[in-house]
Amino acid sequence: GIQVEQSPPDLILQEGANSTLRCNFSDSVNNLQWFHQNPWGQLINLFYIPSGTKQNGRLSATTVATERYSLLYISSSQTTDSGVYFCAKDGNLQGAQKLVFGQGTRLTINP
Amino acid sequence: DTEVTQTPKHLVMGMTNKKSLKCEQHMGHRAMYWYKQKAKKPPELMFVYSYEKLSINESVPSRFSPECPNSSLLNLHLHALQPEDSALYLCASSPSRATLYGYTFGSGTRLTVV
Repeated sequence: GIQVEQSPPDLILQEGANSTLRCNFSDSVNNLQWFHQNPWGQLINLFYIPSGTKQNGRLSATTVATERYSLLYISSSQTTDSGVYFCAKDGNLQGAQKLVFGQGTRLTINP
Repeated sequence: DTEVTQTPKHLVMGMTNKKSLKCEQHMGHRAMYWYKQKAKKPPELMFVYSYEKLSINESVPSRFSPECPNSSLLNLHLHALQPEDSALYLCASSPSRATLYGYTFGSGTRLTVV
């Protein structure tokens, strides 16, 4: 079954707007990460956040492991924030940790 | 140095060609990975290397052949590919296969098979 669900699938905003991206997961989480994939394909690790809240500049993330969701907040959006945001949780594969990705949220920030 | 470097950035190859993708990291990570990503989809795991040994093969066709010559390098040899193999191929590394902390991706090789 689906282990990681992201919403919304697409989001179009004007520069300066704030946004909240959501990630729901179907079972317990030991590791959860948020990635930003820019239009050139580079996947950048934004947060490693299995629980709690972290902030990095205009971005912050909160994971509530007991309720099985994580949120990514982007404030004062800039055009360079455009791209696809993935959350990924841990999955056990033959004793190794693997990333289980959601389908992503495609964010477009218009000038 | 906190980068994973992939070459080439773009590759066009015919179905009868043999080519290789290269990945290099100097972070001292002992786990390295190959992922395949089709358009508008999340990355899919292909191979896991741990301490230079193949740890996991996610039922990848034999026309994809991985190689890890040393702890810093990871290659993906390609032979007799099909047009449906066209995709973005991403390399990643992490301190070990037992942790996702410090997971770092390269910028990818965009492969087109003609």
